[in-house]
This record gives sequence, C-alpha cells and structure tokens, in this order.
Amino acid sequence: DAGITQSPRHKVTETGTPVTLRCHQTENHRYMYWYRQDPGHGLRLIHYSYGVKDTDKGEVSDGYSVSRSKTEDFLLTLESATSSQTSVYFCAISVGTSGSSTDTQYFGPGTRLTVL
Amino acid sequence: SQKIEQNSEALNIQEGKTATLTCNYTNYSPAYLQWYRQDPGRGPVFLLLIRENEKEKRKERLKVTFDTTLKQSLFHITASQPADSATYLCALPYSGYALNFGKGTSLLVTP
Repeated sequence: DAGITQSPRHKVTETGTPVTLRCHQTENHRYMYWYRQDPGHGLRLIHYSYGVKDTDKGEVSDGYSVSRSKTEDFLLTLESATSSQTSVYFCAISVGTSGSSTDTQYFGPGTRLTVL
Repeated sequence: SQKIEQNSEALNIQEGKTATLTCNYTNYSPAYLQWYRQDPGRGPVFLLLIRENEKEKRKERLKVTFDTTLKQSLFHITASQPADSATYLCALPYSGYALNFGKGTSLLVTP
C-alpha cells in the first residue's frame, strides 16, 4: 500500500453534518489525490495536491474542500454532508519524481462513508 | 469532453483461456495509458503503463497493446486463472498531474 493509511475506514453520519476524512502517507511523496467510487460511475477525481498548501479541483469537487498543511497528510472535508456523497473514498499518491500523470498511482484502502 | 469506455458487461471465461479487455477513448491524444486491477473492497493496484510509441508491452502473463489511430488499448491475460478474477481499469492522463479512470470491466475466471 506504499505506506498509505486512511481514517476512518467506515463512517455513518447524518445529512448536514461536517465530515473530515484523513489520508496519511509515510514516504514523503509530493502528489496526493482524493477519488470517490460509485457504482456506474467508476473512480472520479475530487481534488488533488501537488505540495503543501497547493491543491486543485478535480472532476467532482463541488461540496468538498481539502487541506494539506503537512506533506504526509491530505484531508478531505464535506462541509455539510448530503446523501449524494455516500460513496467509497480513496486516497492515492503519485510515485515518481516528475509528478506527471505518467507516474504510477498507489491507493489507500478506502473509506466507506454513508450519509443518512 | 474526454471520454473513456470500457465494456460494462462482465467477462466470463474458463480457466486457461486468454481474457481480452478493451479500453476505448475519445477526445484524447494521450501519450500514455495505464491499467489497474481492483479487487472487491480494496483500492486499485497498478499493473502496466504503455507509452504511445510502444505498440505492445508485456509483463508475465499480461500483454497490453496501444493503438493511437483506433484510440484503443487491449489488455490480455493469457492462461487465465481464477485468481485473475477482478475488475480491471484503464486510466489516461488528466490535467498533467492526475489520472482519469474508466469505469472498469469485471473479469470472472471459472475453473
């Protein structure tokens, strides 16, 4: 797993509550990503980071924010969770020096989030 | 917009046969294409990367082809085994720093 952990692994919450998911890596990689995976949609990029305090939006960023104050941690926040955000969330890192999309991505174990 | 298409129907094959999965794309001119494997309840795992100037690439029982004229990649598993049963995803570059994934094709290899 390239030293990637995600927490929590499972979470059930109610609509309207804030939720923060954490991705932690131990190998000091520069590039980190958050994806969500849903049946019929596959993996979709939410946000990514190319360094401390450097982030950018992906395909499905509405309703999500991210923060990266340390190289090893990339946080995904749902400010006010909705049922449409029920999903499996994967964190990934890009392994390689260039950080281009040619680099291999390694994924964490995922967080299953249910919003009631 | 950029689009990646993988066969949404599951592919069922008998052990020992060759499995062939297809990845088609539109509105892309990718210099690279990657294939990943995903088992239920787990994150995707990288398998192979093929560049536009590499028509074919092999790794053990895996073979990938990349036809930039047809805008298609084929992923082959020879001498398939039940342990090869999984979902296989193709991925193309997105914005230079990320990947755009197809929805994946589920492969089931039966003894």
